[in-house]
Amino acid sequence: GNSVTQMEGPVTLSEEAFLTINCTYTATGYPSLFWYVQYPGEGLQLLLKATKADDKGSNKGFEATYRKETTSFHLEKGSVQVSDSAVYFCALNTGNQFYFGTGTSLTVIP
Amino acid sequence: KAGVTQTPRYLIKTRGQQVTLSCSPISGHRSVSWYQQTPGQGLQFLFEYFSETQRNKGNFPGRFSGRQFSNSRSEMNVSTLELGDSALYLCASSSSLPEETQYFGPGTRLLVL
Repeated sequence: GNSVTQMEGPVTLSEEAFLTINCTYTATGYPSLFWYVQYPGEGLQLLLKATKADDKGSNKGFEATYRKETTSFHLEKGSVQVSDSAVYFCALNTGNQFYFGTGTSLTVIP
Repeated sequence: KAGVTQTPRYLIKTRGQQVTLSCSPISGHRSVSWYQQTPGQGLQFLFEYFSETQRNKGNFPGRFSGRQFSNSRSEMNVSTLELGDSALYLCASSSSLPEETQYFGPGTRLLVL
């Protein structure tokens, strides 16, 4: 079946540290891949997406590359800020339905 | 363009009651999906409506139902509430196809006592 696996959290980093949140997926066909972010008390916001293999999605300094050979879509940011503290969700869409990972909580400390 | 709106934002009910949640999608969006978010289970897909028809359905009991109106607004109903139904219910809209980006509302937080 279709599923998304994200690294367990919580993740705590110092400001300006490098961030990687791992995401791998299982899917039939050629899904689109997404990263969403959820700030406390809010709904999910689209962070970035990629619709085909080798595409790189990027936004606000975050980026992720669609790797079909490793079925991965790892989220990276070179220098995190306190304002990046949130829960990050990896998701895939098969054209029929969205599947979300369990979320990774990130806390950035000054 | 206004975002996805959900009402009410917070709700407290007791076991056995029923509840109706409302979602207004982004103007022009015709697909509305509903999710249940809990700390233990994460985001779980409930169902998706398009042009007033349920197009996809997750693995939830029949107590969970929904509908969509001609203006694309959607409602979700949960009957005979159980304690385990306490969760954040999120609504998401997309323009026409479910594979397109979904835009989420702020959610309705339901507490069942």
